[in-house]
Amino acid sequence: QVTLRESGPALVKPTQTLTLTCTFSGFSLSTSGMCVSWIRQPPGKALEWLARIDWDDDKYYSTSLKTRLTISKDTSKNQVVLTMTNMDPVDTATYYCARMTPITAFDYWGQGTLVTVSS
Amino acid sequence: QSALTQPASVSGSPGQSITISCTGTSSDVGGSNSVCWYQRHPDKAPKLIIYDVTNRPSGVSSRFSGSKSGNTASLTISGLQTEDEADYYCASYTASRTTIFGTGTKVAVL
Repeated sequence: QVTLRESGPALVKPTQTLTLTCTFSGFSLSTSGMCVSWIRQPPGKALEWLARIDWDDDKYYSTSLKTRLTISKDTSKNQVVLTMTNMDPVDTATYYCARMTPITAFDYWGQGTLVTVSS
Repeated sequence: QSALTQPASVSGSPGQSITISCTGTSSDVGGSNSVCWYQRHPDKAPKLIIYDVTNRPSGVSSRFSGSKSGNTASLTISGLQTEDEADYYCASYTASRTTIFGTGTKVAVL
């Protein structure tokens, strides 16, 4: 059974760095073709893809946010970590991690974690 | 890279069919066979309902179907049911190996 769970702070201050962890089970990120992405959804707005890390450690970032994002993985712990620097109130959103397989679609999602940016 | 364009809302009566469009460019929808659709009910995680333009994951109702023509993909919901009331998002794998989502469509069952 595939599961993903996001964890991290619910509240961060402007200019701080956000660190989110995705802990997953039911698959291995060392298996060829497996990938994990981070996606967010601000309140009342659309989904926005942020970043992806592949089984071979290739990394991809949203063009508009790539200077602020870093994605990494710890295969032994079944975790993927996303850091986002210089947080701003517009970054307030529910952040999801999701699995992508060779079908290049997100077939399993975590429940999401709401991050509020406020002083 | 701008989001794919979807209508803000689409509505229909129970039993009717509705279609949601998703317009991109030749760098994403037009140039990709990896277009998918997600259904999102309030306070729930998105659920994959169509992948690779036309394919349904196991367990997804056959009332959902996908297609593509040029830079525009479409999701059709046949035999509309009250449980189909949700937000729907398209997404495309791009030439640069990233993913881009659509602006989202709210489906109302009247």
